Amino acid sequence: LAKTTQPISMDSYEGQEVNITCSHNNIATNDYITWYQQFPSQGPRFIIQGYKTKVTNEVASLFIPADRKSSTLSLPRVSLSDTAVYYCLVGGGSARQLTFGSGTQLTVLP
Amino acid sequence: GAGVSQSPSNKVTEKGKDVELRCDPISGHTALYWYRQSLGQGLEFLIYFQGNSAPDKSGLPSDRFSAERTGGSVSTLTIQRTQQEDSAVYLCASRGVAALTDTQYFGPGTRLTVL
Repeated sequence: LAKTTQPISMDSYEGQEVNITCSHNNIATNDYITWYQQFPSQGPRFIIQGYKTKVTNEVASLFIPADRKSSTLSLPRVSLSDTAVYYCLVGGGSARQLTFGSGTQLTVLP
Repeated sequence: GAGVSQSPSNKVTEKGKDVELRCDPISGHTALYWYRQSLGQGLEFLIYFQGNSAPDKSGLPSDRFSAERTGGSVSTLTIQRTQQEDSAVYLCASRGVAALTDTQYFGPGTRLTVL
């Protein structure tokens, strides 16, 4: 299973764009990259998923370089309610389970 | 249902007792996962069910832990002779078979406290 490395914590201010980068050097050919968000006392919630290049949805963008050894989650104009732990995962295809790392604690300050 | 549900939401038990935690996945989802999350920690994979295949039990921490999935739907995670270190939030997730990628939908979790 591909291991991921991401910063333990990040601080930002309301209205700013936040970029969280995840390293996954041994990503496999059939692995997808998925990001989840988790608020205290709740289960993780799917944010975005991609395989290569750029993916955008109503919540975030995901940038994946050509070598796919890293990915960057971009949250535009964060608000206080975006304070949460963000997990980067790689897997998919025939993978039977995903490995959650420690995640990144994002704190948005007023 | 609209999402994954788990029961009970909270469970307090005494050391040495057995507990059962229930997960109702999204209707039609064939894959079901159990995870454990200790306070301030990431998620720890426990077990995975996919259709009628043999479950992947590689994450179960000891033989006191077991899980079953009846009729390909509801799943029960059983912890026998609970220990204080079993205290954690137990999360269940499900995924549809049509999804080639791994978009898992999580329930709210069961907070287990072993006294």
